[in-house]
Amino acid sequence: GENVEQHPSTLSVQEGDSAVIKCTYSDSASNYFPWYKQELGKRPQLIIDIRSNVGEKKDQRIAVTLNKTAKHFSLHITETQPEDSAVYFCAAIDTGNQFYFGTGTSLTVIP
Amino acid sequence: DGGITQSPKYLFRKEGQNVTLSCEQNLNHDAMYWYRQDPGQGLRLIYYSQIVNDFQKGDIAEGYSVSREKKESFPLTVTSAQKNPTAFYLCASSQSRNQPQHFGDGTRLSIL
Repeated sequence: GENVEQHPSTLSVQEGDSAVIKCTYSDSASNYFPWYKQELGKRPQLIIDIRSNVGEKKDQRIAVTLNKTAKHFSLHITETQPEDSAVYFCAAIDTGNQFYFGTGTSLTVIP
Repeated sequence: DGGITQSPKYLFRKEGQNVTLSCEQNLNHDAMYWYRQDPGQGLRLIYYSQIVNDFQKGDIAEGYSVSREKKESFPLTVTSAQKNPTAFYLCASSQSRNQPQHFGDGTRLSIL
């Protein structure tokens, strides 16, 4: 099965700075990579996703990049705001269509 | 995602007791999932179902059971065989297996 590793586990940035979270995966046939944001005590919510036929996708302050050769993908948040503080999870879907989640990154945006 | 409802929000289990967590969706999704979330371990798949009356074990199915008698419902039973049940349980659904998953608000299970 797939193995997804996520780094860093915690990240603190000053408000207005950028934040980058990286994930690697093991199954070269994986073709779908979503990112979820989970605020404390709440449900994970999909914030952006990318499929393997695309190298980058942007949605306002959030972007995801995918490097299929290196088998890694990253979440980029620009102009961070305090409400961006949350735990972020990456995931990859393997050839059996099963989701594998990273262990999460706790992002703190310092006002 | 108001379309997925989990209940109860908090649940307490006594030793030797089975408890059932409810998950209902009105999104007309075919696939449903149960995850367990522990601090520092991300989301681990317990069971999933792609269609009514069919379900498969995930990575940590031991001590759990599920049923899928209706498309909109996928209850999870935590049996007494699950020796460490204290965790946050999340239910999710998706239109099909390779589509984005939408999560419920979760149930926090604790041992009395």
